[in-house]
Amino acid sequence: AQSVAQPEDQVNVAEGNPLTVKCTYSVSGNPYLFWYVQYPNRGLQFLLKYITGDNLVKGSYGFEAEFNKSQTSFHLKKPSALVSDSALYFCAVREPGGYQKVTFGTGTKLQVIP
Amino acid sequence: NAGVTQTPKFQVLKTGQSMTLQCAQDMNHEYMSWYRQDPGMGLRLIHYSVGAGITDQGEVPNGYNVSRSTTEDFPLRLLSAAPSQTSVYFCASTRGTGGTGELFFGEGSRLTVL
Repeated sequence: AQSVAQPEDQVNVAEGNPLTVKCTYSVSGNPYLFWYVQYPNRGLQFLLKYITGDNLVKGSYGFEAEFNKSQTSFHLKKPSALVSDSALYFCAVREPGGYQKVTFGTGTKLQVIP
Repeated sequence: NAGVTQTPKFQVLKTGQSMTLQCAQDMNHEYMSWYRQDPGMGLRLIHYSVGAGITDQGEVPNGYNVSRSTTEDFPLRLLSAAPSQTSVYFCASTRGTGGTGELFFGEGSRLTVL
C-alpha cells in the first residue's frame, strides 16, 4: 500500500529565509508525487508535481521540490519565504494510472514570521 | 471558470438525520472523489468514481453512499449521521487518461453532527 509521511506538524521560518517542508513516500513502482497548499477555510490548491524527468521541479509561487529516489523523498523548498506563504501544505502520492487513489500526508503547517 | 463547486458550505445535523453533499465540476473530468479532512489525519478518501455509472469505495466508506449518474455530478449521501462524521468534506476531480494527474478541489463543506 502506498503511504506518505510528513514528519513535521509545523515549520517556523523567518521571512526572507529559505524554507523546507519534508515529505517521504512509499509506493509500488515509479511514484507520481504532488504538493498542495491549503489556506484557511479554503480547498486545496495544486502547487507542483513530479512525474518523470528532472529531479528538481518548479511550481507556483516560487516553490520547488526535489525528488530523491534513493531516499524516497520529495521535499518542498523555497529560497526566500514570504509571510503570505503561511498555510497548510500537503504532500501526496499515487501510482501510475491510479488517478483515483491518491494518498495524502497529514499536512505541515508553515508559519512565516515577519 | 467554476471548476469544482460544492454545496452547502456549512451544515449542522442531528444524530440520525440524513443529508446529501453536492459536488459538480464543469471540466469534463473522468475521475471524481470525496475526501474528509480531520485534524492531524490529513485527507482520507471516502469514495471515488472513474466515470458515469462507476463508483468504488475508498479508505473510509462506512456511513456514506455515492452515485454518478452524469459526468458532472458526484453527490455524497450521509445515510444516518453520527458525531464521528463531523468533519470537513472535499470533493475533487481530475482528468484521467491523458491528463497530468493533479486534483482540482472544491472549497469544502463543513459538517457538524450533534
